[in-house]
Amino acid sequence: QKEVEQNSGPLSVPEGAIASLNCTYSDRVSQSFFWYRQYSGKSPELIMSIYSNGDKEDGRFTAQLNKASQYVSLLIRDSQPSDSATYLCAVKGRGSTLGRLYFGRGTQLTVWP
Amino acid sequence: DAGITQSPRYKITETGRQVTLMCHQTWSHSYMFWYRQDLGHGLRLIYYSAAADITDKGEVPDGYVVSRSKTENFPLTLESATRSQTSVYFCASRQDREGYFGPGTRLTVT
Repeated sequence: QKEVEQNSGPLSVPEGAIASLNCTYSDRVSQSFFWYRQYSGKSPELIMSIYSNGDKEDGRFTAQLNKASQYVSLLIRDSQPSDSATYLCAVKGRGSTLGRLYFGRGTQLTVWP
Repeated sequence: DAGITQSPRYKITETGRQVTLMCHQTWSHSYMFWYRQDLGHGLRLIYYSAAADITDKGEVPDGYVVSRSKTENFPLTLESATRSQTSVYFCASRQDREGYFGPGTRLTVT
């Protein structure tokens, strides 16, 4: 059973600050990682994917992957109240479970004005 | 319109009734999934499908049945609904690195 663990949260940051969301995974050879954002009452929405060690930037979002330490993180720069949501980390399965994504339970982020 | 749709969006049913939740995607994605989301449990995979006529169990399959006769449709049936199946159900589809969720169905079993 693959495990994906996230900060239990909730995480609260002021507007304009950097929000840091962390995720660890148990399968050492996992290759593909995803961050989803879920607003209250809505469905999850894919915001970032990362496959190689290092950083991947997309606007105010940066995903960081460290396969040796088995963690992936999401940084949100210049946080806005509209970033307030639950952020889900997901890891793609391999082999017989290639098609699956394994989700963490999510970290709730609140950005206050 | 391209996308993934679910119906109904809201459903109230009684214990013991059979209920079918529908999911339709227009991208011809190979993979489709059914999740349930409950407070304190996050997203839990019920069933998934790699292609038409290929389905597999997820973490919580008991009490549910799926079929996939066409690539674009993936219905989920609760054979005899129980109160513990009250939840929000999300369908999702994925192809390679792109994946999308449907808007969800809020099911209440009384």
